[in-house]
Amino acid sequence: QKEVEQNSGPLSVPEGAIASLNCTYSDRGSQSFFWYRQYSGKSPELIMFIYSNGDKEDGRFTAQLNKASQYVSLLIRDSQPSDSATYLCAVNFNDVRFGAGTRLTVKP
Amino acid sequence: DADVTQTPRNRITKTGKRIMLECSQTKGHDRMYWYRQDPGLGLQLIYYSFDVKDINKGEISDGYSVSRQAQAKFSLSLESAIPNQTALYFCATRSGNEQFFGPGTRLTVL
Repeated sequence: QKEVEQNSGPLSVPEGAIASLNCTYSDRGSQSFFWYRQYSGKSPELIMFIYSNGDKEDGRFTAQLNKASQYVSLLIRDSQPSDSATYLCAVNFNDVRFGAGTRLTVKP
Repeated sequence: DADVTQTPRNRITKTGKRIMLECSQTKGHDRMYWYRQDPGLGLQLIYYSFDVKDINKGEISDGYSVSRQAQAKFSLSLESAIPNQTALYFCATRSGNEQFFGPGTRLTVL
């Protein structure tokens, strides 16, 4: 069983809608959680990180963490075509492990 | 200049050849990582290093070896390349909460 699971998608939303991306992890000792965005052919880039249960907001992005359920999510409000990319969930314990990524397409 | 550089950017080689991928960083970070990325599998951790004397295996280290020549340099070797090692390879450094990725090396093993 992969340690970090994401729905592979693809996920398609219309411009202006909310995109919801989900991630579960298996190691209860995990301490920090990350969302990366990766455009096709490019390197991943960090969008947000979260440590504590609850929500963390940064502009149009909100990360949500529920350690009891071992679940972390990313909400993108007012989705734009430029948000079309693959979103990678990553989890840190002793090292950093990534999920397979969810491909998001925002249609104009 | 880029903070994390990888050479070569593209490489085509044959089965059984020895290949070295190099990573250099100017960020001054102690922690460095090697990942491979295959379509639909995300990033898989191969090796990571917390400093020059501390090297650790990741999820998929079989068939790979690494060398941390200096704080700034972390090389990945394939001793005898095989076709299923065809992938996109990323080097990364880490400081605090963020990893900084190099541009990637696309390796094809024929």
